[in-house]
Amino acid sequence: IAGITQAPTSQILAAGRRMTLRCTQDMRHNAMYWYRQDLGLGLRLIHYSNTAGTTGKGEVPDGYSVSRANTDDFPLTLASAVPSQTSVYFCASSEKRGGTDTQYFGPGTRLTVL
Amino acid sequence: GQNIDQPTEMTATEGAIVQINCTYQTSGFNGLFWYQQHAGEAPTFLSYNVLDGLEEKGRFSSFLSRSKGYSYLLLKELQMKDSASYLCAVMDSNYQLIWGAGTKLIIKP
Repeated sequence: IAGITQAPTSQILAAGRRMTLRCTQDMRHNAMYWYRQDLGLGLRLIHYSNTAGTTGKGEVPDGYSVSRANTDDFPLTLASAVPSQTSVYFCASSEKRGGTDTQYFGPGTRLTVL
Repeated sequence: GQNIDQPTEMTATEGAIVQINCTYQTSGFNGLFWYQQHAGEAPTFLSYNVLDGLEEKGRFSSFLSRSKGYSYLLLKELQMKDSASYLCAVMDSNYQLIWGAGTKLIIKP
């Protein structure tokens, strides 16, 4: 089934630990995004990638890093998790960044940092 | 700063019509999106407006007035499955989507 997959579905993590959230799409989309969603706030962009080999910072990039080695995968790494990173994380993709291109979302990863 | 405002919660009756408003102040405008998000699930695309006017898609319609920084999503013939959050998002001059916090729509029988 075409779409975006994310792993893990949920995770409880001790503060200070390193964690990588995985995201894979099979739609051959050029652009990919990582958002976090917190209660009472809109989705906030963490990092994005216009195409394989390039990445950019979004609104809330501190404490997170990404890589885009190929078209399909866009992992998000928390180098040293802190409780304020407790959130639901969504990966999304679109054919290209901007314009009318619709963003398609993965099912999300619910992360709790204790 | 950039800002998207929409009501936090609305309640409507099955079979009725509901209008969810969204006002925005952004640096530039490259279109406005509406997404639906059921509890515990991912957002899914509903509509896109870049020109003023009404776009109709079945039971859902979306309206845009760029001069007023205003949009609404109109849902007709409400069904229980329409209970969800509705997210308004504006694409700014840097082609970044700025998201509202969402409107939780509760449908009562």
